[in-house]
Formats: sequence, C-alpha cells, structure tokens
Amino acid sequence: AQTVTQSQPEMSVQEAETVTLSCTYDTSENNYYLFWYKQPPSRQMILVIRQEAYKQQNATENRFSVNFQKAAKSFSLKISDSQLGDTAMYFCAFIVTSGSRLTFGEGTQLTVNP
Amino acid sequence: GAGVSQSPSNKVTEKGKDVELRCDPISGHTALYWYRQSLGQGLEFLIYFQGNSAPDKSGLPSDRFSAERTGGSVSTLTIQRTQQEDSAVYLCASSFRTSGYEQYFGPGTRLTVT
Repeated sequence: AQTVTQSQPEMSVQEAETVTLSCTYDTSENNYYLFWYKQPPSRQMILVIRQEAYKQQNATENRFSVNFQKAAKSFSLKISDSQLGDTAMYFCAFIVTSGSRLTFGEGTQLTVNP
Repeated sequence: GAGVSQSPSNKVTEKGKDVELRCDPISGHTALYWYRQSLGQGLEFLIYFQGNSAPDKSGLPSDRFSAERTGGSVSTLTIQRTQQEDSAVYLCASSFRTSGYEQYFGPGTRLTVT
C-alpha cells in the first residue's frame, strides 16, 4: 500500500521566519514524483514544488525548498521568509510513474502570524 | 492560459436526488482526474481518464458514482441517489502525463446533501 504521513496537523510561524513541514511516505516502487500542494481558504489546490525521485538534488522554488531523503522516505518542505499569504493547508503527495493517482497526506494547517 | 474550471461551485441537493458535476480541463491535457475531499481530510482518488484508454475507476466508492469524458476534454461526474455521506468537495485535476506528472486542480464543487 502507498501511504503519506504528515505528523503535524497544525503549525504556526511568525512573518519573515522560516518553517519546516514534515512528510514521510511509503511505497515499494522506485520511480515516483513527490509534490507539495497548498490549499488556501479559497479551496484552490495550488502546486508549490515538485521533486523527481531519481534526482538527488533537492528542488527549490523561490522561498520554497525541500529536503528529500529517499532512503528514509522523507520529503519535508521549508518555507523561508514566511508571508501572510502562505497561510494555508499544505498537502504532501506522490505519484508512482506506473500508477494513475496522487496519494495525499492528511495535510498540515500552517498559520503565518503578523 | 485558462486553468481547470468546475461547475457548479456549490451544490445543495436533497438526499436521494441525482447530481452532475462538470470539469473542463486545461486545453491539451490528456489526463483528467476526480478526487473527493471530505471535511478536514486529504484527497481521495475517484477516477482517472487518460486519452482514449479505458478509465481507471478503482476509486469510485459505490455504483452510485459514475463519470464520463466526452471528446477527450470535458468530464462529468454523476452521483445517483445521493446520500448524506456524499457531502464533500469534489476536485478535478488535469495533467500532461508525459511531462512531470504534476496535476493542476480546479476550484472544486462543494456538494451538500441535506
């Protein structure tokens, strides 16, 4: 079975500070893609960052970066210089290249405080 | 360009009625997905369409749920004889399967069964 675990249901951070959201996953497949999605109160699911499992280099997208540890099946998201607009539910997800569906974690509600 | 669109945005229906939810994917995307998000939870895969291939219906929770995709573009998710447990946000996503596997989501339809 393929699973994603986000152990932090809620987190908060002060504006301009850095926060890290945790994610672990489980799959017996070797080829897959990992994602972080953001869902603000508007309900729109927005892609934040993507990581190919075959790449050792951690993905970076502006203030967002990941720490991908394939052996440990860990995929954490770091948000630097947090902004009020980063307040949202964050979902970790992955898809195996032989499959057809994203498997999502339960989400982490991040609140950025002024 | 235009993103994934869904209609209606909100739907309230009485228990036992049938409902149809519509999804317009991003132009040129060959893959289309339906997910369900119950209150405060992650996303649950429902069905996947890829080009002209037979859809992957393995996530549909019961035979009251069905979906079709006409002309390789617009998709309709139909729920017959709705039950209160069907109340959720229904999200549609599309992707280029041959490029990165990331899925782009629509704003969702919030279904409330009274």
